[in-house]
Amino acid sequence: DGGITQSPKYLFRKEGQNVTLSCEQNLNHDAMYWYRQDPGQGLRLIYYSQIVNDFQKGDIAEGYSVSREKKESFPLTVTSAQKNPTAFYLCASSIDDGGGTDTQYFGPGTRLTVL
Amino acid sequence: GQNIDQPTEMTATEGAIVQINCTYQTSGFNGLFWYQQHAGEAPTFLSYNVLDGLEEKGRFSSFLSRSKGYSYLLLKELQMKDSASYLCAVNDNYGQNFVFGPGTRLSVLP
Repeated sequence: DGGITQSPKYLFRKEGQNVTLSCEQNLNHDAMYWYRQDPGQGLRLIYYSQIVNDFQKGDIAEGYSVSREKKESFPLTVTSAQKNPTAFYLCASSIDDGGGTDTQYFGPGTRLTVL
Repeated sequence: GQNIDQPTEMTATEGAIVQINCTYQTSGFNGLFWYQQHAGEAPTFLSYNVLDGLEEKGRFSSFLSRSKGYSYLLLKELQMKDSASYLCAVNDNYGQNFVFGPGTRLSVLP
C-alpha cells in the first residue's frame, strides 16, 4: 500500500535530550513537510523540502533540524534547544510538479511528550 | 501577514446541514484546501478550490470567493462520524508554503 508512515506513534523524552522522529513515504512525492500541532491551534510549518538534499525553514524552525538524503525519507530532530517540544508532530508529502498547488497527504502523526 | 480565521466550535444535529466558514488574508493565493481531522489522527483531504465557485463531492461541498477572501465547507445529511475538526488551509505563492487555520471543531448530536 502507498502511504506515509511516521514512527513512533507516541514518544517520551527527558528534558535536555535530542530525539528524532521518522517520516517515510512511498508515494514518489517530491515535496515533504513537517508540522507541529498544539491543542486548539492550527498546524504550524517547521520545515519543508522540495527536492533531495534541499530544505527550507518554515515559521517555527528554531530548535529543530531536518535532513533529506533520500526522496522517501525526511526525519525531524527535536533538539534540546526547542523550549516547548511537547506537541503532536505531523509529516506530509505532495507532488511538486512546479505548475501549481498539489494536495498534501499526511502521515498518522507522532505525539511527543517531554517529561 | 498571513491570517486564516474559522469559528472555533460548531454544533449541529444528525441529518442536518452545516456550513463552516473560513476567511483568509495571505500574501498570495494558489488554492484553498479543506481537511477533516478526527481527534488524535492525521488530517485527511476533503476538497480543493482554486477558482471561484462551488465544488461538490458527495455530501461535502466547498465554495470559494477569491475577491472576498472567503470560503465555506458545506456538510449535508450530517452523520455522527462527521464529528471532527475541519481545517482550512491556503497555499500562498511562496514555494510550497501552506497556511493553516486553527480548525473548527464540529460536534454532531443525535
